[in-house]
Amino acid sequence: AQRVTQPEKLLSVFKGAPVELKCNYSYSGSPELFWYVQYSRQRLQLLLRHISRESIKGFTADLNKGETSFHLKKPFAQEEDSAMYYCALREYGNKLVFGAGTILRVKS
Amino acid sequence: DGGITQSPKYLFRKEGQNVTLSCEQNLNHDAMYWYRQDPGQGLRLIYYSQIVNDFQKGDIAEGYSVSREKKESFPLTVTSAQKNPTAFYLCASSEGGGRGFYGYTFGSGTRLTVV
Repeated sequence: AQRVTQPEKLLSVFKGAPVELKCNYSYSGSPELFWYVQYSRQRLQLLLRHISRESIKGFTADLNKGETSFHLKKPFAQEEDSAMYYCALREYGNKLVFGAGTILRVKS
Repeated sequence: DGGITQSPKYLFRKEGQNVTLSCEQNLNHDAMYWYRQDPGQGLRLIYYSQIVNDFQKGDIAEGYSVSREKKESFPLTVTSAQKNPTAFYLCASSEGGGRGFYGYTFGSGTRLTVV
């Protein structure tokens, strides 16, 4: 079975510090991975897709097939980054398998 | 303004009752999905539909039922057989088939509480 693991339930950092939200996956084929974010009182929304190789709100994520990882990074955290973050893996068809999520708290 | 609308926002159910959660989209998406969100467990797939009049069970379909009579609508019924229905339910949609996949668009969710 495909699996997505986010090992940290909560990550707490100070404003201006670097952020790394971890995501590991297991998949037998060529993976397609996503990061979703859920800000307080807002709906879940797409943050970025690995195939786009884009940077959204200063966040980047690189697919590392050797380590089967897709960690989300930002060099300088901002208070408005505080949210729940989910890593997701596309299965056959268009189904997404989600990790358990990581709460990011940015302290001032 | 395109998007997904879930209703109601909050729903209370008595033991033994069936309840139906509504999900409507005007994005012209082929595929629709229902997930359940529980603290510490992430999102788990209940049912999904790739096309009208067709749907498949997800990982936790027991105690739930769906229909897909119209492209825009994908209602979820939580039956009395669902042992632990109190949760936050999310509906999503996406392009299907050969039109490319860009991830999901999510609704704002329905919080169901059994009283």
